[in-house]
Parts: sequence; structure tokens; C-alpha cells
Amino acid sequence: DSGVTQTPKHLITATGQRVTLRCSPRSGDLSVYWYQQSLDQGLQFLIQYYNGEERAKGNILERFSAQQFPDLHSELNLSSLELGDSALYFCASSVGQGARGGELFFGEGSRLTVL
Amino acid sequence: QQQVKQSPQSLIVQKGGISIINCAYENTAFDYFPWYQQFPGKGPALLIAIRPDVSEKKEGRFTISFNKSAKQFSLHIMDSQPGDSATYFCARRPCSNDYKLSFGAGTTVTVRA
Repeated sequence: DSGVTQTPKHLITATGQRVTLRCSPRSGDLSVYWYQQSLDQGLQFLIQYYNGEERAKGNILERFSAQQFPDLHSELNLSSLELGDSALYFCASSVGQGARGGELFFGEGSRLTVL
Repeated sequence: QQQVKQSPQSLIVQKGGISIINCAYENTAFDYFPWYQQFPGKGPALLIAIRPDVSEKKEGRFTISFNKSAKQFSLHIMDSQPGDSATYFCARRPCSNDYKLSFGAGTTVTVRA
């Protein structure tokens, strides 16, 4: 158990809808990262927050947004969903601004299916 | 976005055999090359990591070797066991003011008993 909690584990929704994925980082970790994992793209970095502030941004679509709250949990909002958004969404956390020693702690992911 | 190219996409090895996964990186600054292991239904977890000033690192049956001149690093799984069946990702962490990990596309390893 990595200590990172993600909810929901599974989500099925329709095209055009909006969903929110939630992540609670490990106790004491200030950074939260969101990654998208699809069959043909591997793990793609979406966005990172550090202590409530956006720290780094990857190829995150404009339809997607995220935030980190004062209690350090984070939410990833996906709107105007398309079939191609179906994927596993992972949250990871680290103590500092980066992956010290190359280590991030990943949750078990939220599997999103868009029908 | 992938700044590491990983191969092969999948491999099958017999129990006791050696699994070899390769990754090539672009000519940018870096400070860590970690490998992650992911079992079905789970998130990736750090397996082993190497710094570029080290040519080889071994932890149990897992060895990373680093070839700076070829801009490649490899994961060797010695005496592969069915419990090693998983997806393996190489990654890189830049040493610049960019701390996120960039992952390779992953290699699915199947160890046949």
C-alpha cells in the first residue's frame, strides 16, 4: 500500500459529461502529480501541484483541470468527455517538489470509461 | 512527450531465464533513471533507480546497467520468476528545474512456469 488514495476506482459515463477524480496523497507529501495511462500512450504526465500551487504542466487538455486544496488533497476535473478520454488516471505524490531519488508514490488509479 | 524510448513492447521468458528491457534517452540533462514495476490493477511502484555517474546497480535479481555513450540504460531480470510478470516502465528525472518523471511506454513481461 503506497498510502495514496484515489476515488472512485471505476467510473463509467457518457460522452459530453463531466467527472471529478479525487486523490489524497501520502501523509506529509506536499506534491501531487496526475498521470494518464492508456494502452497506446503509456504513462503521460498531466499536471503537478506543490503545496496548493501549480508546479508543472504536461500535455493536459484544456477540457481538463485540476486543483490542490489546503488539506493537500487534489481533484482532477474532466469535462466534455470524449471516447478517447477513456483511460486509467493515476495520482502520485512526493514529499518535495520533485521525485527525490526518482521515486513517486502512486495510487491504484481511477479507471474511466466513456461510452 | 515521451523522452525515453523503451523496447520491447512485450516479452515472454521461461522461468529461470533472463528478461532484458532497454531504454534510450535524448541528449538532455538528467539525474535519475528509475524503473517502475506495475502489476495488473495496481499503480506503478519504484523497483530500482540509477544515477548516470554509476554504470551498474544491482538489487537482488534486478540489475540496471547504464551506457552513457550510447545514451541507453537497461533492466535485466535474472532468474525470472512467474511473480515477476508485470509491466515495467523506465523513466527519467531531469536535474533541471523540472522535477516530474517522464516514462517510457512500458514493457509487459510474462514469465512462463
